[in-house]
Amino acid sequence: GNSVTQMEGPVTLSEEAFLTINCTYTATGYPSLFWYVQYPGEGLQLLLKATKADDKGSNKGFEATYRKETTSFHLEKGSVQVSDSAVYFCALSREGAQKLVFGQGTRLTINP
Amino acid sequence: SQTIHQWPATLVQPVGSPLSLECTVEGTSNPNLYWYRQAAGRGLQLLFYSVGIGQISSEVPQNLSASRPQDRQFILSSKKLLLSDSGFYLCAWSVPGLAASYEQYFGPGTRLTVT
Repeated sequence: GNSVTQMEGPVTLSEEAFLTINCTYTATGYPSLFWYVQYPGEGLQLLLKATKADDKGSNKGFEATYRKETTSFHLEKGSVQVSDSAVYFCALSREGAQKLVFGQGTRLTINP
Repeated sequence: SQTIHQWPATLVQPVGSPLSLECTVEGTSNPNLYWYRQAAGRGLQLLFYSVGIGQISSEVPQNLSASRPQDRQFILSSKKLLLSDSGFYLCAWSVPGLAASYEQYFGPGTRLTVT
């Protein structure tokens, strides 16, 4: 079946550090891939997406590249800020499906 | 532009009491609608989804039910709450019919505490 596996958290970094949150997936066909962010007490916001192999999604300094050969969609940011502290969810949707499959979420804390 | 509303924002209810959470979407027609629950410190659990009025799919057998009385209205209900129903409830919508992606857009959530 379809599944998403994220690196376990929590992840704690200092401000201006480089961030990588790993995400790998299992899916049939050619899924679309997403990263969502959830700030404390809020709903999820779509951060970025990629719909086909080798696509790079980017937003707010975050990037992720759809790697079909390694079935991965790792989230990266070159210099994190305290305001990036949140929970990050990787997700996929399979073509023709009505539902998203989410990873378990990774809690990120950035210290000043 | 599209917006999604949920209310109430927070709710404290005693065990055994009924529940009604409401979600409405503006600015789009015939959206797919979803209810999720997020227990404290945990991931997302899809509870129900709907592709049209009166069409509800249940993902997890439980103490909850969902209804879609209007195109852009989605209601989550319970006749008798359990302690285990506590959590953060999120409503989401997506545009139907897109071939390439089905990204979902989430509401602000309802924090439910059952005491």
